[in-house]
Amino acid sequence: GAVVSQHPSWVICKSGTSVKIECRSLDFQATTMFWYRQFPKQSLMLMATSNEGSKATYEQGVEKDKFLINHASLTLSTLTVTSAHPEDSSFYICSASDSRVGGVQPQHFGDGTRLSIL
Amino acid sequence: AQSVTQPDIHITVSEGASLELRCNYSYGATPYLFWYVQSPGQGLQLLLKYFSGDTLVQGIKGFEAEFKRSQSSFNLRKPSVHWSDAAEYFCAVGAITGGGNKLTFGTGTQLKVEL
Repeated sequence: GAVVSQHPSWVICKSGTSVKIECRSLDFQATTMFWYRQFPKQSLMLMATSNEGSKATYEQGVEKDKFLINHASLTLSTLTVTSAHPEDSSFYICSASDSRVGGVQPQHFGDGTRLSIL
Repeated sequence: AQSVTQPDIHITVSEGASLELRCNYSYGATPYLFWYVQSPGQGLQLLLKYFSGDTLVQGIKGFEAEFKRSQSSFNLRKPSVHWSDAAEYFCAVGAITGGGNKLTFGTGTQLKVEL
């Protein structure tokens, strides 16, 4: 149980294009989804937290106009990197949890998306 | 604010040997603690979690961790390591925020297993 699917797993695109990454919870309802960025050989950096039906809460230093997050349903959140540039190249990972259960629930992670901007 | 320290960046053990990965946390209240494992190019898999109760928690793949409040530690252990355990291991502390449950991760420990 608690499977999170992230798509695509790998994308290469030209500078200036926008890229959309999807995160789906397959067998549970994800009231909260998280988007992380991970640089090589480093830990995960939380970019934003999104609750279903609400605007995402961005961490300090993360540009909300650059990284658009939508969480329109209990099973799907998307991250759109707008006008991507080489410095946006990174490994992006989503996670999901069901906050209705109460307390601090484990986050279940997708397999990540390797984004390379040429 | 909560924080997590994983003092060991790299650890190498021989297959069949025992393993202990260290994790120290800082948090003002009773912590919610997690260990995750990440294989190269993949997401994170939950190994085990501690919320309350028995301070020795059992996880998947033969891992266990012990919560020691007096030492602010949550070390991960395995009695006999397998080559497939080679991966990056992250300790995390959880907190409830206005936006939901938030995890703060340590910097990770890279485990190498020698055959």
